[in-house]
Amino acid sequence: DAMVIQNPRYQVTQFGKPVTLSCSQTLNHNVMYWYQQKSSQAPKLLFHYYDKDFNNEADTPDNFQSRRPNTSFCFLDIRSPGLGDAAMYLCATSRSRDSSYEQYFGPGTRLTVT
Amino acid sequence: KNQVEQSPQSLIILEGKNCTLQCNYTVSPFSNLRWYKQDTGRGPVSLTIMTFSENTKSNGRYTATLDADTKQSSLHITASQLSDSASYICVVSVRGSQGNLIFGKGTKLSVKP
Repeated sequence: DAMVIQNPRYQVTQFGKPVTLSCSQTLNHNVMYWYQQKSSQAPKLLFHYYDKDFNNEADTPDNFQSRRPNTSFCFLDIRSPGLGDAAMYLCATSRSRDSSYEQYFGPGTRLTVT
Repeated sequence: KNQVEQSPQSLIILEGKNCTLQCNYTVSPFSNLRWYKQDTGRGPVSLTIMTFSENTKSNGRYTATLDADTKQSSLHITASQLSDSASYICVVSVRGSQGNLIFGKGTKLSVKP
């Protein structure tokens, strides 16, 4: 089945230790999004890729970076995680950035910072 | 400011009962409204998506309505099951926004036996 896959599902890292979260998709979608969702809050868009074109949200901290080496994969790098970065990180894909197109979410990676 | 507000914040119902969740939005220009179900510790899964011209859309026991004049939507769940326990998130898409979605904070539904 075509899907959005996130690895790992659970990640524990130490304060200040770089961590990378992974997302892959078999939908062949052009757009990939990264969201941060804290407990009982709505998902917050961090950035998105349209093909190789990287689009950062204005309020996304510099501590967060992303890479998209090919259509199928996208990575979220947190350079120096702080306690406030503990959250669920959701990857989503869409065929187009046009707002009429559906976004398909992965199961998420739960990040714990100790 | 574009906003989506949902009510109630949380809801407990007995298995087999019906319930209705509410969503009010102030988003312009409007493209579409989506309802997602998010199980605890999982990503959101789309239930329905409605454009400006659609008043109602069903997906099994889930029926969403949209009143574009009053900028209100509802999600009605019929004959609830234990597996319906989840957060239900109302999401409004801004037209021409490069995929920008305005999320509500969700309604946490608990279905008890």
